[in-house]
Amino acid sequence: NAGVMQNPRHLVRRRGQEARLRCSPMKGHSHVYWYRQLPEEGLKFMVYLQKENIIDESGMPKERFSAEFPKEGPSILRIQQVVRGDSAAYFCASQALGETQYFGPGTRLLVL
Amino acid sequence: GESVGLHLPTLSVQEGDNSIINCAYSNSASDYFIWYKQESGKGPQFIIDIRSNMDKRQGQRVTVLLNKTVKHLSLQIAATQPGDSAVYFCAESLPGGTALIFGKGTTLSVSS
Repeated sequence: NAGVMQNPRHLVRRRGQEARLRCSPMKGHSHVYWYRQLPEEGLKFMVYLQKENIIDESGMPKERFSAEFPKEGPSILRIQQVVRGDSAAYFCASQALGETQYFGPGTRLLVL
Repeated sequence: GESVGLHLPTLSVQEGDNSIINCAYSNSASDYFIWYKQESGKGPQFIIDIRSNMDKRQGQRVTVLLNKTVKHLSLQIAATQPGDSAVYFCAESLPGGTALIFGKGTTLSVSS
């Protein structure tokens, strides 16, 4: 049973470009969370999704960030017009209802 | 063994010692707590969890203690090994909640 998969593992973008981060949950998990981690800090919640629904986006910046979890395919975290402050590690976690969240390996985004 | 009463950002121990990592959580209403281990360049890895109706839970070489009176959580690692070297985070969740709230990490260094 494969774990949570994320790609790409590393992503370099220039300021103003778009970044797309993908997350495939563990088999049987229908809940996906995105977290952001800045260097030397803990993870900060961004958004919680179920298939085709955003359940909680209270941690998501109001502008430039969006997330989706379509009926088919991976969850996508999209950052438009990236700025240097977006440089961070972005982690996806998946969960079966009522169970523990399991994390993927993360995508390290570097904005030049 | 070595223990700390307050949260410290780093903890250095000798191989074979027992380690105790402490965490002060933020919300007295939280009812679910998890310890994660994060190695460099990787995502958080689940270690052990505990619900608020328990004071102690044991796993393989690890024990989690919960003191709700002072909002304190600790992770005990028996016979610490070099492979235990990592950053350890505690996380909490509110009743019916979904997003995890992460505490400050503790870097555990184990020397041979």
